[in-house]
Amino acid sequence: NAGVTQTPKFQVLKTGQSMTLQCAQDMNHNSMYWYRQDPGMGLRLIYYSASEGTTDKGEVPNGYNVSRLNKREFSLRLESAAPSQTSVYFCASSDQLNSDTQYFGPGTRLTVL
Amino acid sequence: GNSVTQMEGPVTLSEEAFLTINCTYTATGYPSLFWYVQYPGEGLQLLLKATKADDKGSNKGFEATYRKETTSFHLEKGSVQVSDSAVYFCALSDRGGYQKVTFGTGTKLQVIP
Repeated sequence: NAGVTQTPKFQVLKTGQSMTLQCAQDMNHNSMYWYRQDPGMGLRLIYYSASEGTTDKGEVPNGYNVSRLNKREFSLRLESAAPSQTSVYFCASSDQLNSDTQYFGPGTRLTVL
Repeated sequence: GNSVTQMEGPVTLSEEAFLTINCTYTATGYPSLFWYVQYPGEGLQLLLKATKADDKGSNKGFEATYRKETTSFHLEKGSVQVSDSAVYFCALSDRGGYQKVTFGTGTKLQVIP
């Protein structure tokens, strides 16, 4: 099993550009999450999707949008990138009903100039 | 709200030394507690977990005991190896709603030969 996959692995944007980070899981999990990781701040939740067809804001949603395309895929979009969005982004999934363990993708390192 | 506090790093140890990484938490109710590990260039992966008071989680020689009276979940290993070099995150899940997970800021461990 591939688990949780993310694309791209690295991306450099200029301020104001837009992009979409892709995430897919093959574990048939209901719930999916987007986090950002910044030095000294741990992981902060951006958005989550408890189940297919639903999405909700986390701690730091400003400047982001998400789409739960189907049960497997959960994308994160930056409409107008800002330098403050320079970070490492992680997607995660979980089988909410049976376990509270989250499974993480390898991350996307984004730099906004 | 929920919070997780873990010791500042980096922690540098010689191979075969004893490891302790402290973690304390604040939460309402009875959360599940986790240690996740992040190896260089990778996403987080579950190291161990405990779901109720006095439970001991263990994996790969690492152990942590859920101490409700001291609200702690300290990570220990009797003899570290160079391959244990990574960032370790303490986390809790309040098992409510969408299974919100709160992460600590992470502790970097470097093991030198």
